[in-house]
Amino acid sequence: EAGVVQSPRYKIIEKKQPVAFWCNPISGHNTLYWYLQNLGQGPELLIRYENEEAVDDSQLPKDRFSAERLKGVDSTLKIQPAELGDSAVYLCASSAGQVSSYNEQFFGPGTRLTVL
Amino acid sequence: GEDVEQSLFLSVREGDSSVINCTYTDSSSTYLYWYKQEPGAGLQLLTYIFSNMDMKQDQRLTVLLNKKDKHLSLRIADTQTGDSAIYFCAESKSRASKIIFGSGTRLSIRP
Repeated sequence: EAGVVQSPRYKIIEKKQPVAFWCNPISGHNTLYWYLQNLGQGPELLIRYENEEAVDDSQLPKDRFSAERLKGVDSTLKIQPAELGDSAVYLCASSAGQVSSYNEQFFGPGTRLTVL
Repeated sequence: GEDVEQSLFLSVREGDSSVINCTYTDSSSTYLYWYKQEPGAGLQLLTYIFSNMDMKQDQRLTVLLNKKDKHLSLRIADTQTGDSAIYFCAESKSRASKIIFGSGTRLSIRP
């Protein structure tokens, strides 16, 4: 079974440019998470989806970040415009949600963003 | 508030046991996790423990929880070179709530 798929794996852009990251969760997982991981830090949650509904987006900087999960499967995270401080790894994770006895989140390999 | 702290580095000799420590602040944490991250890869769940447990053993891994002191540890027996990675301690209040991660402990193995 395929794990969580993310693309691209690496992205280099100039500041003020837009960028988008794509995530395909594990089949059947209704909960999807986007995390930000700065160098030398643990992941921090940006947004959590239950199916197509964003149930926790309190940490998402809504002035420049947006996310969507159409049809409750794939998800896209966008930054517009990107700033130098956005350079980080963006991780996507998915879990079986309420049907799981514990909250095991399966992580993708991440997209490493470099803003010049 | 929610905070998870762990030391940044640990170096052990191959074959020895590694013990990675973690403290957390939220007494309502229900699930406590240890994740492993290898270079260029996402995080992989190693093991977890419920807050009503004191210990959990899984092959070479032993997790100890001191709920009174809010202290969690991960012991890796017979540490091998393949255990080199960053280990993240994490907690969540419920199976649906967000996971709060520590900053990670980089484990390096000496020959």
